Amino acid sequence: QSALTQPRSVSGSPGQSVTISCTGTSSDVGGYNYVSWYQQHPGKAPKLMIYDVSKGPSGVADRFSGSKSGNTASLTISGLQAEDEADYYCCSYAGSYTWVFGGGTKLTVL
Amino acid sequence: EVQLVESGGGLVQPGRSLRLSCTVSGFTVGDYAMGWFRQAPGKGLEWVGFIRSKAYGGATEYAASVKGRFTISRDDSKSIAYLQMNSLTTEDTAVYYCARRHISSWVAFDPWGQGTLVTVSS
Repeated sequence: QSALTQPRSVSGSPGQSVTISCTGTSSDVGGYNYVSWYQQHPGKAPKLMIYDVSKGPSGVADRFSGSKSGNTASLTISGLQAEDEADYYCCSYAGSYTWVFGGGTKLTVL
Repeated sequence: EVQLVESGGGLVQPGRSLRLSCTVSGFTVGDYAMGWFRQAPGKGLEWVGFIRSKAYGGATEYAASVKGRFTISRDDSKSIAYLQMNSLTTEDTAVYYCARRHISSWVAFDPWGQGTLVTVSS
Protein backbone atom coordinates (compact mmCIF):
# COMPACT_ATOMS: atom_id res chain seq x y z
CA GLN A 1 0.00 0.00 0.00
CA SER A 2 1.24 3.48 -0.84
CA ALA A 3 0.52 6.41 1.40
CA LEU A 4 -2.32 8.70 0.42
CA THR A 5 -1.25 12.02 -1.10
CA GLN A 6 -1.82 15.23 0.84
CA PRO A 7 -0.37 18.71 0.29
CA ARG A 8 2.55 19.30 2.62
CA SER A 9 1.15 22.60 3.83
CA VAL A 10 -1.81 24.94 3.57
CA SER A 11 -2.47 28.29 5.17
CA GLY A 12 -5.27 30.73 5.75
CA SER A 13 -6.17 33.80 7.75
CA PRO A 14 -8.54 33.76 10.71
CA GLY A 15 -12.13 33.55 9.55
CA GLN A 16 -11.25 32.15 6.15
CA SER A 17 -11.84 28.63 4.88
CA VAL A 18 -9.21 26.12 3.82
CA THR A 19 -9.50 22.74 2.14
CA ILE A 20 -7.04 19.88 2.44
CA SER A 21 -7.12 17.20 -0.22
CA CYS A 22 -6.29 13.52 0.14
CA THR A 23 -5.79 11.45 -3.00
CA GLY A 24 -5.69 7.69 -3.05
CA THR A 25 -6.77 4.94 -5.40
CA SER A 26 -9.80 2.82 -6.13
CA SER A 27 -8.41 0.32 -3.60
CA ASP A 28 -8.70 2.72 -0.70
CA VAL A 29 -10.29 6.18 -0.86
CA GLY A 30 -12.31 5.44 -3.98
CA GLY A 31 -13.36 1.98 -2.92
CA TYR A 32 -14.91 2.69 0.45
CA ASN A 33 -16.78 5.47 2.21
CA TYR A 34 -14.40 5.06 5.10
CA VAL A 35 -12.13 8.09 5.10
CA SER A 36 -11.30 9.69 8.42
CA TRP A 37 -9.36 12.82 9.33
CA TYR A 38 -7.16 13.36 12.37
CA GLN A 39 -5.84 16.56 13.88
CA GLN A 40 -2.52 16.48 15.71
CA HIS A 41 -1.01 19.32 17.65
CA PRO A 42 2.75 19.18 18.31
CA GLY A 43 3.63 16.58 20.92
CA LYS A 44 0.03 15.47 21.28
CA ALA A 45 -1.95 12.41 20.29
CA PRO A 46 -4.09 12.49 17.15
CA LYS A 47 -7.73 13.47 17.53
CA LEU A 48 -10.52 12.26 15.27
CA MET A 49 -12.19 15.14 13.44
CA ILE A 50 -14.19 13.42 10.68
CA TYR A 51 -15.11 9.77 10.13
CA ASP A 52 -16.85 7.84 7.36
CA VAL A 53 -16.01 10.65 4.89
CA SER A 54 -18.31 13.32 6.28
CA LYS A 55 -19.48 12.53 9.80
CA GLY A 56 -18.42 14.66 12.71
CA PRO A 57 -17.76 13.10 16.11
CA SER A 58 -19.53 14.52 19.10
CA GLY A 59 -17.64 17.48 20.48
CA VAL A 60 -15.94 18.46 17.22
CA ALA A 61 -16.90 21.88 15.89
CA ASP A 62 -19.13 21.84 12.83
CA ARG A 63 -16.62 24.16 11.17
CA PHE A 64 -14.93 20.91 10.15
CA SER A 65 -16.51 19.07 7.24
CA GLY A 66 -15.51 16.27 4.92
CA SER A 67 -16.38 15.10 1.45
CA LYS A 68 -15.21 12.72 -1.24
CA SER A 69 -15.24 12.55 -5.01
CA GLY A 70 -13.80 9.55 -6.74
CA ASN A 71 -10.35 8.79 -5.35
CA THR A 72 -9.98 12.15 -3.60
CA ALA A 73 -11.30 13.09 -0.18
CA SER A 74 -11.29 16.59 1.26
CA LEU A 75 -11.37 18.23 4.65
CA THR A 76 -12.69 21.77 4.80
CA ILE A 77 -12.23 24.01 7.80
CA SER A 78 -14.37 27.11 7.76
CA GLY A 79 -14.07 30.14 10.02
CA LEU A 80 -10.41 29.41 10.72
CA GLN A 81 -9.28 29.94 14.28
CA ALA A 82 -5.80 30.12 15.73
CA GLU A 83 -6.27 26.82 17.56
CA ASP A 84 -6.87 25.03 14.24
CA GLU A 85 -3.15 25.35 13.48
CA ALA A 86 -1.96 21.73 13.54
CA ASP A 87 -1.06 18.78 11.37
CA TYR A 88 -3.94 16.99 9.66
CA TYR A 89 -3.86 13.41 8.46
CA CYS A 90 -6.33 11.59 6.28
CA CYS A 91 -6.77 7.86 6.70
CA SER A 92 -8.63 5.39 4.54
CA TYR A 93 -9.73 1.84 5.05
CA ALA A 94 -8.03 -0.24 2.37
CA GLY A 95 -9.85 -3.54 2.68
CA SER A 96 -9.04 -6.76 4.56
CA TYR A 97 -8.80 -4.89 7.85
CA THR A 98 -5.95 -2.66 6.74
CA TRP A 99 -5.61 1.11 6.79
CA VAL A 100 -3.46 3.67 5.01
CA PHE A 101 -2.63 7.23 6.04
CA GLY A 102 -1.75 10.32 4.11
CA GLY A 103 1.60 11.98 4.65
CA GLY A 104 0.05 14.81 6.63
CA THR A 105 -0.65 18.48 5.99
CA LYS A 106 0.60 21.31 8.15
CA LEU A 107 -2.05 24.00 8.53
CA THR A 108 -0.76 27.46 9.34
CA VAL A 109 -3.17 30.14 10.52
CA LEU A 110 -1.65 33.42 9.40
CA GLU B 1 -14.20 8.56 31.01
CA VAL B 2 -12.52 6.48 28.34
CA GLN B 3 -8.74 6.52 28.61
CA LEU B 4 -5.86 4.63 27.07
CA VAL B 5 -2.32 4.76 28.45
CA GLU B 6 0.64 3.24 26.64
CA SER B 7 3.76 2.07 28.45
CA GLY B 8 6.79 -0.09 27.87
CA GLY B 9 8.72 2.07 25.46
CA GLY B 10 12.40 2.76 25.75
CA LEU B 11 15.81 2.21 24.20
CA VAL B 12 16.41 -1.23 22.71
CA GLN B 13 19.18 -2.67 20.56
CA PRO B 14 18.56 -3.81 16.99
CA GLY B 15 17.41 -7.41 16.83
CA ARG B 16 15.96 -7.37 20.33
CA SER B 17 12.33 -7.48 21.45
CA LEU B 18 10.04 -5.16 23.36
CA ARG B 19 6.45 -5.42 24.56
CA LEU B 20 4.24 -2.36 24.74
CA SER B 21 1.14 -2.21 26.92
CA CYS B 22 -2.02 -0.20 26.41
CA THR B 23 -3.94 0.01 29.67
CA VAL B 24 -7.53 1.08 29.20
CA SER B 25 -10.19 2.41 31.50
CA GLY B 26 -13.81 3.37 30.99
CA PHE B 27 -14.55 0.37 28.77
CA THR B 28 -13.88 -3.35 28.49
CA VAL B 29 -10.91 -3.94 26.22
CA GLY B 30 -12.41 -7.04 24.63
CA ASP B 31 -15.64 -5.32 23.68
CA TYR B 32 -13.99 -3.04 21.12
CA ALA B 33 -11.64 -3.41 18.20
CA MET B 34 -8.34 -1.65 18.80
CA GLY B 35 -5.60 -0.34 16.59
CA TRP B 36 -1.89 0.27 17.02
CA PHE B 37 -0.17 3.08 15.16
CA ARG B 38 3.27 4.65 15.08
CA GLN B 39 4.93 7.89 14.13
CA ALA B 40 8.64 8.06 13.38
CA PRO B 41 10.38 11.25 14.52
CA GLY B 42 9.27 14.13 12.34
CA LYS B 43 7.20 11.83 10.13
CA GLY B 44 3.55 11.01 9.58
CA LEU B 45 1.25 8.45 11.10
CA GLU B 46 1.45 4.80 10.09
CA TRP B 47 -1.06 2.07 10.83
CA VAL B 48 0.69 -0.90 12.49
CA GLY B 49 -2.01 -3.41 13.36
CA PHE B 50 -5.56 -4.17 14.41
CA ILE B 51 -7.30 -6.58 16.73
CA ARG B 52 -10.99 -7.32 16.41
CA SER B 53 -13.30 -7.40 19.37
CA LYS B 54 -14.01 -10.60 21.24
CA ALA B 55 -17.39 -10.76 19.51
CA TYR B 56 -15.55 -11.02 16.19
CA GLY B 57 -13.06 -13.59 17.36
CA GLY B 58 -10.21 -11.24 18.27
CA ALA B 59 -8.42 -11.87 14.97
CA THR B 60 -5.48 -9.63 14.15
CA GLU B 61 -4.12 -7.94 11.03
CA TYR B 62 -0.78 -6.23 10.46
CA ALA B 63 0.89 -3.79 8.15
CA ALA B 64 3.31 -5.39 5.71
CA SER B 65 6.22 -3.57 7.38
CA VAL B 66 5.71 -5.42 10.67
CA LYS B 67 3.97 -8.65 9.67
CA GLY B 68 5.72 -11.69 11.09
CA ARG B 69 7.59 -9.58 13.67
CA PHE B 70 4.83 -7.84 15.65
CA THR B 71 1.94 -9.47 17.50
CA ILE B 72 -1.10 -7.85 19.07
CA SER B 73 -2.90 -9.49 21.96
CA ARG B 74 -5.05 -8.52 24.87
CA ASP B 75 -5.77 -9.54 28.45
CA ASP B 76 -9.38 -8.78 29.20
CA SER B 77 -8.95 -9.47 32.92
CA LYS B 78 -6.27 -6.79 33.15
CA SER B 79 -7.84 -4.33 30.69
CA ILE B 80 -4.60 -4.29 28.70
CA ALA B 81 -3.82 -4.64 25.03
CA TYR B 82 -0.28 -5.56 24.04
CA LEU B 83 2.03 -5.03 21.10
CA GLN B 84 4.85 -7.56 21.10
CA MET B 85 7.66 -6.38 18.86
CA ASN B 86 10.41 -8.79 17.81
CA SER B 87 13.46 -8.47 15.57
CA LEU B 88 13.44 -4.71 15.94
CA THR B 89 15.32 -2.54 13.48
CA THR B 90 16.20 1.14 13.47
CA GLU B 91 13.24 1.65 11.11
CA ASP B 92 10.93 0.78 14.02
CA THR B 93 12.00 3.84 16.00
CA ALA B 94 8.81 5.80 16.61
CA VAL B 95 6.17 6.92 19.06
CA TYR B 96 3.66 4.10 19.30
CA TYR B 97 -0.01 4.80 19.93
CA CYS B 98 -2.95 2.56 20.73
CA ALA B 99 -6.48 3.64 19.96
CA ARG B 100 -9.97 2.26 20.35
CA ARG B 101 -12.31 2.07 17.42
CA HIS B 102 -14.73 4.95 17.43
CA ILE B 103 -18.07 4.25 19.04
CA SER B 104 -19.93 5.08 15.82
CA SER B 105 -17.56 3.64 13.23
CA TRP B 106 -15.54 0.45 13.21
CA VAL B 107 -13.02 1.93 10.79
CA ALA B 108 -12.16 5.13 12.65
CA PHE B 109 -10.21 5.36 15.88
CA ASP B 110 -10.84 7.53 18.89
CA PRO B 111 -9.73 8.06 21.55
CA TRP B 112 -5.97 7.56 21.36
CA GLY B 113 -3.42 7.13 24.09
CA GLN B 114 -0.64 9.64 24.61
CA GLY B 115 1.96 7.40 23.00
CA THR B 116 5.18 5.75 24.11
CA LEU B 117 8.55 6.27 22.45
CA VAL B 118 10.53 3.30 21.18
CA THR B 119 14.12 3.96 20.14
CA VAL B 120 15.99 1.19 18.39
CA SER B 121 19.70 1.89 18.45
CA SER B 122 22.97 0.21 19.25
